[in-house]
Amino acid sequence: AQSVTQLDSHVSVSEGTPVLLRCNYSSSYSPSLFWYVQHPNKGLQLLLKYTSAATLVKGINGFEAEFKKSETSFHLTKPSAHMSDAAEYFCVVSDPGETRQLTFGSGTQLTVLP
Amino acid sequence: AAGVIQSPRHLIKEKRETATLKCYPIPRHDTVYWYQQGPGQDPQFLISFYEKMQSDKGSIPDRFSAQQFSDYHSELNMSSLELGDSALYFCASSPQGAWGANYGYTFGSGTRLTVV
Repeated sequence: AQSVTQLDSHVSVSEGTPVLLRCNYSSSYSPSLFWYVQHPNKGLQLLLKYTSAATLVKGINGFEAEFKKSETSFHLTKPSAHMSDAAEYFCVVSDPGETRQLTFGSGTQLTVLP
Repeated sequence: AAGVIQSPRHLIKEKRETATLKCYPIPRHDTVYWYQQGPGQDPQFLISFYEKMQSDKGSIPDRFSAQQFSDYHSELNMSSLELGDSALYFCASSPQGAWGANYGYTFGSGTRLTVV
């Protein structure tokens, strides 16, 4: 069985300061990991994905994440927050079997203060 | 680029009514997934289809059914609606195959169902 734990339900940062959203996973297999962002009343947008290639993954809008197998972590970072980054962020693990069902973390609400 | 299209965007139904949600995957994507996101909740997997066959089933109530058609679009049918069915329903698509999981999943913008 696989699971995802997002360690913070809410994160608040000031504009221009770094962002860190934490995610730990549990999987019996080599997982595929994703970060999705959801703006209010919007759909889910893929930020970045890890699929057993480079452990440091760069995504859209300046976000990146590092896969650390020894720590079973896949934290999302951004050097400088922008007001438009305020949204809900989901860490997601994919079942590597035939179904490829996604398991979502509970989400982290990012607030960016002016 | 074409995305996953869901219709309708919003739907209001009364208790015990039925609803049909539609999903049109990205061209050449043959796998469709349905997720339900309740208020303040993370998305929960309902059901998936590959090549018009059900491939996996999650926490989908017996009142719900779904199918995938020859053009790969999918419909989620919901009967005897309850207040607790009010949620955002997402559809996602991906290409199947060993690299399907590597590709990632493209989600539609969702259908917001309100049951009154």
